Amino acid sequence: DQQVKQNSPSLSVQEGRISILNCDYTNSMFDYFLWYKKYPAEGPTFLISISSIKDKNEDGRFTVFLNKSAKHLSLHIVPSQPGDSAVYFCAAPAPSGSARQLTFGSGTQLTVLP
Amino acid sequence: DVKVTQSSRYLVKRTGEKVFLECVQDMDHENMFWYRQDPGLGLRLIYFSYDVKMKEKGDIPEGYSVSREKKERFSLILESASTNQTSMYLCASSSTALGGELFFGEGSRLTVL
Repeated sequence: DQQVKQNSPSLSVQEGRISILNCDYTNSMFDYFLWYKKYPAEGPTFLISISSIKDKNEDGRFTVFLNKSAKHLSLHIVPSQPGDSAVYFCAAPAPSGSARQLTFGSGTQLTVLP
Repeated sequence: DVKVTQSSRYLVKRTGEKVFLECVQDMDHENMFWYRQDPGLGLRLIYFSYDVKMKEKGDIPEGYSVSREKKERFSLILESASTNQTSMYLCASSSTALGGELFFGEGSRLTVL
């Protein structure tokens, strides 16, 4: 049972344009969401997060939107840059439990074309 | 800066061999995790630990075991490696009190022949 889903395995965008990466979840108990970015041969790094009490969080070129009624979140990158080319994972921590372990989506490979 | 260090970046092992993957973190985090990453499947949780000597199964624990004898160190053990365990293994740590953000190591690419 995949509780966090990223249905687009890949996305290509022209440099300077907007990249929109989507994520859906099934567990209405999730109260916090995170996006991670991963380059090849490196570990994932934290990018941006959003609490379920908000519908938007912005950090520079990166904005995450949360639509709780649709159980959907999206990451907007504007303007996109070639250095943004990476795999992006959305994740949510377990609603209960000792370590708040993260459940990850399958990832979206973003390619920004110069 | 948080530092999570995985002992081996690349390993090649033969079917049936015992494999140890070591992970050390320097931020006094109480939680440590082992994930594996496979194309199209994302990051899947193998085991995690929320305290010394405590461990819990994740989503795919079969074929793996773990050890946490010290707070800073979390080891993943493959008792008898199989070809379907060829993967990228990622260790991470977090502090629940600080929001639970995971900090990852650089990963260990294991190939089982």
